[in-house]
Amino acid sequence: AQSVTQLDSQVPVFEEAPVELRCNYSSSVSVYLFWYVQYPNQGLQLLLKYLSGSTLVKGINGFEAEFNKSQTSFHLRKPSVHISDTAEYFCAVSAQFQGAQKLVFGQGTRLTINP
Amino acid sequence: NAGVMQNPRHLVRRRGQEARLRCSPMKGHSHVYWYRQLPEEGLKFMVYLQKENIIDESGMPKERFSAEFPKEGPSILRIQQVVRGDSAAYFCASSPPLGTSVYNEQFFGPGTRLTVL
Repeated sequence: AQSVTQLDSQVPVFEEAPVELRCNYSSSVSVYLFWYVQYPNQGLQLLLKYLSGSTLVKGINGFEAEFNKSQTSFHLRKPSVHISDTAEYFCAVSAQFQGAQKLVFGQGTRLTINP
Repeated sequence: NAGVMQNPRHLVRRRGQEARLRCSPMKGHSHVYWYRQLPEEGLKFMVYLQKENIIDESGMPKERFSAEFPKEGPSILRIQQVVRGDSAAYFCASSPPLGTSVYNEQFFGPGTRLTVL
């Protein structure tokens, strides 16, 4: 079974400052890793994913994440945030096998950008 | 290409009533997943369906909840005799058939927010 821990439930930052949202996972099998963003009262939008290859993954809206297998982490970063980045961010994993590829989500991190 | 559609977007039910949530996957997608998001929590997997088949229902409560994905029409998540604890946002996601890529990305709908009075 897989599990995901997002270490911070809330992260306040000032506009144009850098931000890192932390995510650690646990799994007995190889996994795919994802970050989703949820704006208020909306569904989830995929920010980026790691399937294989380069451990540094670039996504939409200037976000990137780095897969660290030894530390079982997949932290999300952005060098300079904007007010519009205010949202809930979810880290998720999916086991690498055919068939049911259900996503296991973390509890979410609420990113608040202050002017 | 329209995205995943869910309706209704908001649903209010009184305790003991039935709730029916509908999900129309993206065109060409044959896999549907349902997730539940309780207030202040992440999403929890409920059930994974293909056309006319339930593949994985390990996240479904044992009683009152059922799901189907008929040959024609949307996928339905049915909650019978709703209780206040069922109040949540229910999200549907769809993905293309296996074999089209190394990973079948799930595309999420806008969700149905169920409120039980």
